[in-house]
Amino acid sequence: DGGITQSPKYLFRKEGQNVTLSCEQNLNHDAMYWYRQDPGQGLRLIYYSQIVNDFQKGDIAEGYSVSREKKESFPLTVTSAQKNPTAFYLCASSITQGIGYEQYFGPGTRLTVT
Amino acid sequence: AQKVTQAQTEISVVEKEDVTLDCVYETRDTTYYLFWYKQPPSGELVFLIRRNSFDEQNEISGRYSWNFQKSTSSFNFTITASQVVDSAVYFCALSEAREETSGSRLTFGEGTQLTVNP
Repeated sequence: DGGITQSPKYLFRKEGQNVTLSCEQNLNHDAMYWYRQDPGQGLRLIYYSQIVNDFQKGDIAEGYSVSREKKESFPLTVTSAQKNPTAFYLCASSITQGIGYEQYFGPGTRLTVT
Repeated sequence: AQKVTQAQTEISVVEKEDVTLDCVYETRDTTYYLFWYKQPPSGELVFLIRRNSFDEQNEISGRYSWNFQKSTSSFNFTITASQVVDSAVYFCALSEAREETSGSRLTFGEGTQLTVNP
């Protein structure tokens, strides 16, 4: 089955630690995205990548980093510089980043930092 | 800048009622796309529909229908004869071309929590 996998589903970390969230897709999509969702709010774009070895900052990139070394993988690192890291993180992909292409989403990772 | 407004934060209906979810958008582009996504309690967003700015025809898919009106910048979503399984958060989103990149990004509304009670 083609799709997007994110692991783990739930993640707990102590304040001050970096943590990496996994995102893998086998849809052969060029573009990948990371969103953050807070309770009662919409999705906000953290980073996106149009192609391997290339990525751009979204609206709330501060305190986050990404890499895109392989087409199918787009891991997100939440660094200790992120002031409010507790949130639900969603990874998505689309065929390309061209206008009009729908994005397909993974099941999300719920990160709790205490 | 682009913006999507879903004024209804929460809606509660009884099964079999019809319900309409409102979406109003702002954009300066003439070419853009609008989307609706469903987020069930499991958390994963599910794509429902895409509509481009040049196609104002309404669309029906089973119990779902969408009304796109450029004159009022609205893209409303109606569920007919609602069912308990329709309970979810529904997001409207806008995609427009950006000059500074070769592609586009999605701007989401804040979502409407729909609860369908038996």
